[in-house]
Amino acid sequence: GAVVSQHPSRVICKSGTSVKIECRSLDFQATTMFWYRQFPKKSLMLMATSNEGSKATYEQGVEKDKFLINHASLTLSTLTVTSAHPEDSSFYICSARDFLGDINYGYTFGSGTRLTVV
Amino acid sequence: AQKVTQAQTEISVVEKEDVTLDCVYETRDTTYYLFWYKQPPSGELVFLIRRNSFDEQNEISGRYSWNFQKSTSSFNFTITASQVVDSAVYFCALRSNQGGKLIFGQGTELSVKP
Repeated sequence: GAVVSQHPSRVICKSGTSVKIECRSLDFQATTMFWYRQFPKKSLMLMATSNEGSKATYEQGVEKDKFLINHASLTLSTLTVTSAHPEDSSFYICSARDFLGDINYGYTFGSGTRLTVV
Repeated sequence: AQKVTQAQTEISVVEKEDVTLDCVYETRDTTYYLFWYKQPPSGELVFLIRRNSFDEQNEISGRYSWNFQKSTSSFNFTITASQVVDSAVYFCALRSNQGGKLIFGQGTELSVKP
């Protein structure tokens, strides 16, 4: 079945530094990728939608200059948290969608990245 | 506006009990899709089911069953004879026919005790 590989699974960084999270579709072409953020015991909040080769569409309230999303190829999307602060600590999870939406009915999720900013 | 409400934040049952997780949704789309996902403590999301808005047939898969009631905008999930391994957070989600993004409910944390 479809697999989305998300790395790293855990990262601890110092306040003020930037962190990059990668999301790769291993056996299909992901025309669209979604990035979610999840706080402890909370729901998944959509941050942005990215389509290959174009700028990401951010949800209301998400700072696009802070959360940089790049979807340069059909198998790779990256989320960079710039100048990270402790309040950016969270669980980030990506979801890849293939062109026809046939795999897992259109959504395959990565295993998530737990970011801790100290 | 689109919204998914899972009113039960936490449920605790004893093994072998049946448990129903509620999901109520709001959408103005005439065509939409509903999903259930399981999130174990490790964090990954496990796909359980998808339902189209035009298919109100209920579904059973082993100990899992889903009741889709369009008249009440509900898509409830029942686990029969629960097991400890069922302990997880369960999310109901809605996808509109436009844009393709998923809107998640708040999640229900199910704890099954031996």
